[in-house]
Amino acid sequence: EIQLQESGPGLVKPSQSLSLTCSVTGYTITSGYDWSWIRKFPGNKMEWMGYISYSGSTNYNPSLKSRISITRDTSKNQFFLQLNSVTTEDTATYYCARYSDYFDYWGQGVMVTVSS
Amino acid sequence: DIQMTQSPSFLSASVGDRVTINCKASQNINRYLNWYQQKLGEAPKLLIYNANSLQTGIPSRFSGSGSGTDFTLTISSLQPEDVATYFCLQHNSWPTFGSGTKLEIK
Repeated sequence: EIQLQESGPGLVKPSQSLSLTCSVTGYTITSGYDWSWIRKFPGNKMEWMGYISYSGSTNYNPSLKSRISITRDTSKNQFFLQLNSVTTEDTATYYCARYSDYFDYWGQGVMVTVSS
Repeated sequence: DIQMTQSPSFLSASVGDRVTINCKASQNINRYLNWYQQKLGEAPKLLIYNANSLQTGIPSRFSGSGSGTDFTLTISSLQPEDVATYFCLQHNSWPTFGSGTKLEIK
């Protein structure tokens, strides 16, 4: 069974960087698909943030392009999100998900609050 | 970016009712539209992909229709376990989401 699990700090200070990990079991991230980060804001608006493909190429939401980086560790079957210079508007639940024309497997999500 | 306008934002219906939720795209997205269900505290679940294809394991009371800019998710006979938030997603260009519909039982 394919499972994704997000992990990382639940509280980040403004201007700092947000770093999250998505651990994947049941499928090797270099075998196929795009591995995405999505976030859900308070009030339920959702935003696709970007992905890293099975080959290692990346694609980012243009609205985040200057602040976001998605990388991976293939030996651990994990991929990572780094979002720089966060503000309170980055407070959200962050999800990782597998993508190929649709997001078919999602993690449970991790809530991140940006606050001093 | 492509804007997705979803309606209604809230829906209350009785068990057995036929329920419809709509998404309108700001430009033609062909059939590149998916529907998801999210229950409280759970990960989103894919219901429908490419506008009208039922994901494996999803009950047949769920169906999708539409193409171009206007799309509909239909639940033919509402069940208590269908209480959830439903949202659409377009992937004609980089993915964007509808604002969600919270469905409750009357």
